[in-house]
Amino acid sequence: AQKITQTQPGMFVQEKEAVTLDCTYDTSDQSYGLFWYKQPSSGEMIFLIYQGSYDEQNATEGRYSLNFQKARKSANLVISASQLGDSAMYFCAMREGRNTGNQFYFGTGTSLTVIP
Amino acid sequence: GAGVSQSPRYKVAKRGQDVALRCDPISGHVSLFWYQQALGQGPEFLTYFQNEAQLDKSGLPSDRFFAERPEGSVSTLKIQRTQQEDSAVYLCASSLYNGASYEQYFGPGTRLTVT
Repeated sequence: AQKITQTQPGMFVQEKEAVTLDCTYDTSDQSYGLFWYKQPSSGEMIFLIYQGSYDEQNATEGRYSLNFQKARKSANLVISASQLGDSAMYFCAMREGRNTGNQFYFGTGTSLTVIP
Repeated sequence: GAGVSQSPRYKVAKRGQDVALRCDPISGHVSLFWYQQALGQGPEFLTYFQNEAQLDKSGLPSDRFFAERPEGSVSTLKIQRTQQEDSAVYLCASSLYNGASYEQYFGPGTRLTVT
């Protein structure tokens, strides 16, 4: 089974509008972390936001917020007031709490295009 | 401060050649990871170091892939007898500590093309 599932290969959003990028995850661990990264065409992975499995509040970082629904195992990224520079690939990732190296499991990504 | 750096940024190899990809993690970061990212896909885990110890190499696709981090800082990923399916971007990431809450900082990647 896939650890991270991103079902939207591509999304379009009008500039200044909000957009939600979907992510569901699969783990039997009680302790885990969920991350979103942005990968522009230059290729570098840029950390956006983190949500811990024990965090009761949804994480927010500027225009980014994470809609964490633990029972549904979903961790959707919400980008408010989209900007042209937000056009990029977005990856959801999970790091499990077992001390086995804590590798990241990534989804297949969502390509976001912001339309002027 | 300096982030994770990787070299070379681009590498073209003829099938059958050996290649070596270098990663300089953020100073003081204990954990170092290598990932392989095929075109249009998310990164896939290859191997993990905690300081100089390679604790997990379960993601290495074959025995042609070898990684080392002899002094617990710089790491090298070596691919022997390259094949066309090895063409991908190889990403290195470092993390201050182990643990689910620690983000990984990624380098710019090395794009390997095997012809």
